[in-house]
Amino acid sequence: GAVVSQHPSWVICKSGTSVKIECRSLDFQATTMFWYRQFPKQSLMLMATSNEGSKATYEQGVEKDKFLINHASLTLSTLTVTSAHPEDSSFYICSARSVSKANEQFFGPGTRLTVL
Amino acid sequence: GEDVEQSLFLSVREGDSSVINCTYTDSSSTYLYWYKQEPGAGLQLLTYIFSNMDMKQDQRLTVLLNKKDKHLSLRIADTQTGDSAIYFCAESGGGGADGLTFGKGTHLIIQP
Repeated sequence: GAVVSQHPSWVICKSGTSVKIECRSLDFQATTMFWYRQFPKQSLMLMATSNEGSKATYEQGVEKDKFLINHASLTLSTLTVTSAHPEDSSFYICSARSVSKANEQFFGPGTRLTVL
Repeated sequence: GEDVEQSLFLSVREGDSSVINCTYTDSSSTYLYWYKQEPGAGLQLLTYIFSNMDMKQDQRLTVLLNKKDKHLSLRIADTQTGDSAIYFCAESGGGGADGLTFGKGTHLIIQP
């Protein structure tokens, strides 16, 4: 149980294009999902907290107009990187907090974004 | 702001115990976590401990928490080659409801 998937697992795009990443909780309902980014050999940095049915809360320094988050249902949150640039290349990881196990966060496998 | 520190590398021989240490600064942390990340993969939750506990054991894993010193450790008994990974310490101040603050991760290297 407690499986979180992400799609796509990797994506390469041209500079200026937008990329959408999906995060799904497969076997549980998640009222809250989190988006992190991880640079090579670095730790995970929280970007934003996504609550179902409401606007996401962004961490300081994260541009909400650049990283659009939609949490449309209890099992799906999407992150759209708009007008991507090479400096946005990173490993994006989502996590989901179960309604029934509020103190646990389960992580997706991550999405490797490379912007040319 | 909150800060979580870990040493970057730990090398142990197969069969020995591994002890990975972590320090944190947020005194309001309610839950502390250990995650494992294998190359090219996502994070796997290994275990977590509530801040009012000082020890938790789960099979080969033992977590020790010294809340006064804000020090957390993960002991892996009988370390195997499959334990080779990066281990992240993380803390949550909001009872798990908040996003986590992660350390940089400790790369566990197993010598044959």
